Order: sequence, then structure tokens, then C-alpha cells
Amino acid sequence: GAVVSQHPSWVICKSGTSVKIECRSLDFQATTMFWYRQFPKQSLMLMATSNEGSKATYEQGVEKDKFLINHASLTLSTLTVTSAHPEDSSFYICSAKRQENYGYTFGSGTRLTVV
Amino acid sequence: AQKITQTQPGMFVQEKEAVTLDCTYDTSDPSYGLFWYKQPSSGEMIFLIYQGSYDQQNATEGRYSLNFQKARKSANLVISASQLGDSAMYFCAMREGIGGTSYGKLTFGQGTILTVHP
Repeated sequence: GAVVSQHPSWVICKSGTSVKIECRSLDFQATTMFWYRQFPKQSLMLMATSNEGSKATYEQGVEKDKFLINHASLTLSTLTVTSAHPEDSSFYICSAKRQENYGYTFGSGTRLTVV
Repeated sequence: AQKITQTQPGMFVQEKEAVTLDCTYDTSDPSYGLFWYKQPSSGEMIFLIYQGSYDQQNATEGRYSLNFQKARKSANLVISASQLGDSAMYFCAMREGIGGTSYGKLTFGQGTILTVHP
């Protein structure tokens, strides 16, 4: 079946540094990738939608200069958290849209802790 | 306005019993899809079941069935014969139809934490 590989699964970084999270579709072409953020025991909140070869569309309230999204190929989308701060600590998860109706494949998520 | 509402923050069920997790939605789009996902403590999102707005019959997948009541805008998940491994957070989500900026995006409900007791 369709697989999205997300790395790293967890990361601890120092405040002020940048962290890159990768989502790679292994056996299908992901023309659209969604990036979500989730706080403990809360819902998934959509941060942005990225389409291959074009600029990402950010949801209201999401700082595009802080959360840089790149979707340079049909199999790779990245989220870079720039100048991370403790309030950026969260669970980040990507989801690739496939062609069929229920075609969403989620990555396994990245737990980011900023200290 | 909340588009997807799950009113049960937590639910408890005895092993082997059935449980219903509630979900109501709000959309003016005639074409939409409804999804249920399971999220165990590991964080992965596991797809359970899908119902399209034009589907005539309720969706079923093994022990999971979706009680789709279109007029009431509800899409409750029924888990039959609960197992200990069913303990997790469950999310209802909606994808609105073609057109506008909503196309393809999933909007999630608040989630329900299900605990299965032995």
C-alpha cells in the first residue's frame, strides 16, 4: 500500500535553531501534501497545503516565514521550523493526498521538543 | 463555526461490547467525504472507514461501521466487539468537495479518547 515516510520521528533542539522535517512518499506520487500540528490530546490543526512545484498555501495565523515548506518533487515535501522556540514544541504530521476518494496517507509524525 | 464536532471527549467500553462514537458535521457543499481515523499513543493516523456524501449505503469495514444520517448531518462510528487494542484517540474528519480553497483539505473533529476495559 501507499506509504509516506516521515523523518525524524522525534527531535530535540535548542531554542533559536532550525529543524527540518521530511516527508517522502515511497511508492506513489504525492502532488499535494498537507502539514498538521497537534498538541497533546488535541485535534490536528492544518498548517499549510503544499503542491509540487508551487508555493505552499498557509492557513490563517500560521507564520509562513517561521514554518518553511518546500515541495520540490512529487515524492518529497519538507517542513522547516526556523528559529524554534519552546512554544513550537509539538507533534507535526504530514499527509499526502492520493487520487481516490479516501486517498490520504499520513506520515508517522515528528515529535519536536525545543529546549 | 465548527465544521466537525465530536462531543464525547472520552468514552469507556467493556471488552467485547459495541461502542458508538459520535460525529456531526456542517457543510453546504453537496459533495463531501467523511473519514474516521484511529490514533494510538504512538501518534500514527490509522484510516478506518470512509463515507461519501452520495453513497447510498452505510460504509462498513470489518468491525467498523459508519452510521450515516445525512439529514441529521451525523456520521457516527460503531465499533463492534471492542478489543483492548482499540484503546486510542478517534478522529472524525471531513473533506469538502471540488471548488474553492477547501478542496482536498481534511478538517478534523476534536477527537474522542476511547478506553476499552478488560
